[in-house]
Amino acid sequence: DGGITQSPKYLFRKEGQNVTLSCEQNLNHDAMYWYRQDPGQGLRLIYYSQIVNDFQKGDIAEGYSVSREKKESFPLTVTSAQKNPTAFYLCASSLKADLQGAAFFGQGTRLTVV
Amino acid sequence: AQSVTQLGSHVSVSEGALVLLRCNYSSSVPPYLFWYVQYPNQGLQLLLKYTTGATLVKGINGFEAEFKKSETSFHLTKPSAHMSDAAEYFCAVSETGGSYIPTFGRGTSLIVHP
Repeated sequence: DGGITQSPKYLFRKEGQNVTLSCEQNLNHDAMYWYRQDPGQGLRLIYYSQIVNDFQKGDIAEGYSVSREKKESFPLTVTSAQKNPTAFYLCASSLKADLQGAAFFGQGTRLTVV
Repeated sequence: AQSVTQLGSHVSVSEGALVLLRCNYSSSVPPYLFWYVQYPNQGLQLLLKYTTGATLVKGINGFEAEFKKSETSFHLTKPSAHMSDAAEYFCAVSETGGSYIPTFGRGTSLIVHP
């Protein structure tokens, strides 16, 4: 079945550590996105990529990094510079940014700093 | 710039009653509009979308929404609530002719009482 796979589902990080969240899609979608979700704040865009080897900062990119070496994969690294990383992280993709494309979402990764 | 306002962080209805979730948007160009549903600890699932054409849009699970340009609204309705409709609902907007990156509202939690 086609879809978006995020792993792991739960992740615990110690203070000062970098962690990487995986996002893989087999939908042949061009665009991929990372959102952060906090209670009562909706979804905030961290990074997005519309083509391979290119990505753009979203509204809250500080403390995060991404890569897009393959069309199928868009991993997110939460660095130690991110002061409050505990949140629910959602990866999404869409067929083409300009073709009325609704975003399809993965199941999310819940990151907790311990 | 685009933005979305969802009125009411929580809406409570009885089973069988009308569901009305409100969404107002701001966009400098004709928008694409979306409603998503999220169950606990899961990703977002597309309920319906408006792109062009008919302003009354029907989606899954008996939901529908009407695009009203004059009111800049895209309210979500369902004639009769079911217990399984209890979830978080997000309205989103993306601007045509731009980056098409969806911007999300803060979400409305639908509570259904027996």
